[in-house]
Amino acid sequence: TQLLEQSPQFLSIQEGENLTVYCNSSSVFSSLQWYRQEPGEGPVLLVTVVTGGEVKKLKRLTFQFGDARKDSSLHITAAQPGDTGLYLCAGAKWGGSGTYKYIFGTGTRLKVLA
Amino acid sequence: EAGVTQFPSHSVIEKGQTVTLRCDPISGHDNLYWYRRVMGKEIKFLLHFVKESKQDESGMPNNRFLAERTGGTYSTLKVQPAELEDSGVYFCASSQGQGEFQPQHFGDGTRLSIL
Repeated sequence: TQLLEQSPQFLSIQEGENLTVYCNSSSVFSSLQWYRQEPGEGPVLLVTVVTGGEVKKLKRLTFQFGDARKDSSLHITAAQPGDTGLYLCAGAKWGGSGTYKYIFGTGTRLKVLA
Repeated sequence: EAGVTQFPSHSVIEKGQTVTLRCDPISGHDNLYWYRRVMGKEIKFLLHFVKESKQDESGMPNNRFLAERTGGTYSTLKVQPAELEDSGVYFCASSQGQGEFQPQHFGDGTRLSIL
């Protein structure tokens, strides 16, 4: 079973602090997506990274895809209470049916305290 | 544009009963996906429709689950008979095309509880 392990599982920090969330696997993925999910809602796509070593920035969020395309990280600078939520990574693999299949990570629940 | 809508938002039924979940994708999205998260576990793929055809149903857990997408618009996922281990949140997502740069838009999910 392919598994994407995220760490930490839970994180509670003060407003203004920096944090990094990790997404690790022993499998190689074609691409990797990061989502944020709020209670009672579905996941919302933040970014897709495709190339090994790629770095993408979205305001205070920095996403990196590992060189070997097996892992990724999400770094948040100066966290704000609005960043609170469940962060999910999802790796894409080309399936036998001729389409991509997405394998979701175990999730990191972030709480930013004001 | 209206997002992906799912209903009901919650469903509580007894073991052995039948439940049908519905998903309305974003208008014009040919690709429709079903996922579920059982408690404490990660979101797992169930199946993928392209229009009315099942492109990949490798994630369907067993033959108690039946997904349809007649006419290539909305989709239903029926569980018959429901078992305790079917409890969880069922998500639907849709995308315009296939591929890594075709974002999947998720609905808010149906929380299914089997008693």
